[in-house]
Amino acid sequence: EPEVTQTPSHQVTQMGQEVILRCVPISNHLYFYWYRQILGQKVEFLVSFYNNEISEKSEIFDDQFSVERPDGSNFTLKIRSTKLEDSAMYFCASSEGGGGGAMDEQFFGPGTRLTVL
Amino acid sequence: SQQGEEDPQALSIQEGENATMNCSYKTSINNLQWYRQNSGRGLVHLILIRSNEREKHSGRLRVTLDTSKKSSSLLITASRAADTASYFCATAGFNKFYFGSGTKLNVKP
Repeated sequence: EPEVTQTPSHQVTQMGQEVILRCVPISNHLYFYWYRQILGQKVEFLVSFYNNEISEKSEIFDDQFSVERPDGSNFTLKIRSTKLEDSAMYFCASSEGGGGGAMDEQFFGPGTRLTVL
Repeated sequence: SQQGEEDPQALSIQEGENATMNCSYKTSINNLQWYRQNSGRGLVHLILIRSNEREKHSGRLRVTLDTSKKSSSLLITASRAADTASYFCATAGFNKFYFGSGTKLNVKP
């Protein structure tokens, strides 16, 4: 069964450093998403991406964040200068699209745990 | 905010009993989805119900949606210890989801 994969599973970085989190969505999916979950809190939407551009983003997704689909398979989230409060689990998701994209089931990856020291 | 909020926050039952979790939201939606998350793990999609549907079944899961009350319920019948997890509802706007805080379900063997 196709699945969304994410690498690395755990990333430790120093405050101020740049990190890139990687995701491989399901191959025939057209919509891609990043979410984060701070320990013990709810899952928060960061950004959605379709047709090589951002569709929607939340207030969390400020200039420190960027997303990219550098090739036909990867979908990346970059945090330029990490802060302590960026420590969280980051989930990538993808959906097949059609009917507005958000109407379809989203398949989530296992997440990358980011720890900022 | 369009966020769904689950109720109760925590639920503890015996194996074999039914578990009911509720979700309320604030604005109109395209669909509502329920997810499950085991501790420290990713989210697993359980079921999607569209705004024009009232009830949906999948195995031991039954989901209802009442758009007039802006609420949904998830019923897990004949619960098992393996159902122990957090359950979230997510409401869909255009190209983004809003997750609630979740219900922590503990099924005691």
